[in-house]
Amino acid sequence: AQKVTQAQTEISVVEKEDVTLDCVYETRDTTYYLFWYKQPPSGELVFLIRRNSFDEQNEISGRYSWNFQKSTSSFNFTITASQVVDSAVYFCALSEAPFTGGGNKLTFGTGTQLKVEL
Amino acid sequence: GAVVSQHPSRVICKSGTSVKIECRSLDFQATTMFWYRQFPKQSLMLMATSNEGSKATYEQGVEKDKFLINHASLTLSTLTVTSAHPEDSSFYICSARDWREAGGIQDTQYFGPGTRLTVL
Repeated sequence: AQKVTQAQTEISVVEKEDVTLDCVYETRDTTYYLFWYKQPPSGELVFLIRRNSFDEQNEISGRYSWNFQKSTSSFNFTITASQVVDSAVYFCALSEAPFTGGGNKLTFGTGTQLKVEL
Repeated sequence: GAVVSQHPSRVICKSGTSVKIECRSLDFQATTMFWYRQFPKQSLMLMATSNEGSKATYEQGVEKDKFLINHASLTLSTLTVTSAHPEDSSFYICSARDWREAGGIQDTQYFGPGTRLTVL
């Protein structure tokens, strides 16, 4: 069975601080996908990134960066120089790869509420 | 990017009535769509997987006669909450699977904005 753990329930930072959101996953699959989604107060889930299990390169997109460590089954997300608009709930998720019969079902973590204050 | 719409965004109904929620992929075709339910301050709970042209697959504990799903086209799936009761009040979110092989396999779920259902 797949499992995603986001141990940080809520994080509060002051604007311009860097913040890292942790994500640890469990799966027996050798091929899988990892995702991060942002859910602002409006409720819509916004896709941030998809990472294939065979690609351990870290990725940077503007102020966002992701650190994928297969050895520790972690896929952490860092926001540099946080802004008030970053305030949201962030979900880490895991799915099986295509053609494995899992149909791309996502297993979500419980989410981390990030509050960025002035 | 891929866009998924959901309608209505908010609905209030009386107990015993049925409510239909539409989920549309606007700029891509989705053979698979998913329906989730989210309670306040909780994670998303997958209710069912909707496959175009076939019956939906429901997760354990989800009543298929209560939550009717129809995926009649490659861009539209509907969820009907039948004989709604106050305990069905929740935030319902759909997602559409965007799967393509251009430039490597791309397989991502894009989410709609959600529907807030309140049953009085």
